Amino acid sequence: GDSVTQMEGPVTLSEEAFLTINCTYTATGYPSLFWYVQYPGEGLQLLLKATKADDKGSNKGFEATYRKETTSFHLEKGSVQVSDSAVYFCALSDLRGGYQKVTFGTGTKLQVIP
Amino acid sequence: NAGVTQTPKFQVLKTGQSMTLQCAQDMNHEYMSWYRQDPGMGLRLIHYSVGAGITDQGEVPNGYNVSRSTTEDFPLRLLSAAPSQTSVYFCASSYSMGTDGGYTFGSGTRLTVV
Repeated sequence: GDSVTQMEGPVTLSEEAFLTINCTYTATGYPSLFWYVQYPGEGLQLLLKATKADDKGSNKGFEATYRKETTSFHLEKGSVQVSDSAVYFCALSDLRGGYQKVTFGTGTKLQVIP
Repeated sequence: NAGVTQTPKFQVLKTGQSMTLQCAQDMNHEYMSWYRQDPGMGLRLIHYSVGAGITDQGEVPNGYNVSRSTTEDFPLRLLSAAPSQTSVYFCASSYSMGTDGGYTFGSGTRLTVV
């Protein structure tokens, strides 16, 4: 079945550091890939997405490229801020029986210190 | 405000009690789902619906019932609460049945069963 593997957290960075959160996936079809962010006490929010190979999703300075050859969708940001502290979830959406089935990774907690 | 509204935000139940978690969306989304979030396990799908009158089981459906009488509402019923159902519950909706639609999440219900 489909699966998503994220790097273990927590990740602790100083403000303005470069961020990479690794995500790899296994899927039998042609999934779409997503990154969600969850701030403390809130629900998940869609951060960015890519629907086919070589697509790059971007939003709020975050980027991720759909790499079919390495089955990866790593999240990057050039300069993190304290306000980026949150839990980040990688997810894929695939079709099952004509409807989308979404599989989430276990989440990576990011802590940015001033 | 447009979005997914969940009530209540917090709930404490005694073992064996029943209750209903409410979820409503005003975006005319056909696709709705319920997830539970547990530490170290990411999000797991409980039940989902692809439209009014149509529901199906996810990966952890035991102990939960759902119904979808309208496009807007998708309540989750706990039949006889057990401590193993202590979790944070999220309702989510999507505009697309295909793989390109991201989810809009509610802010969650934190449930404790004692």
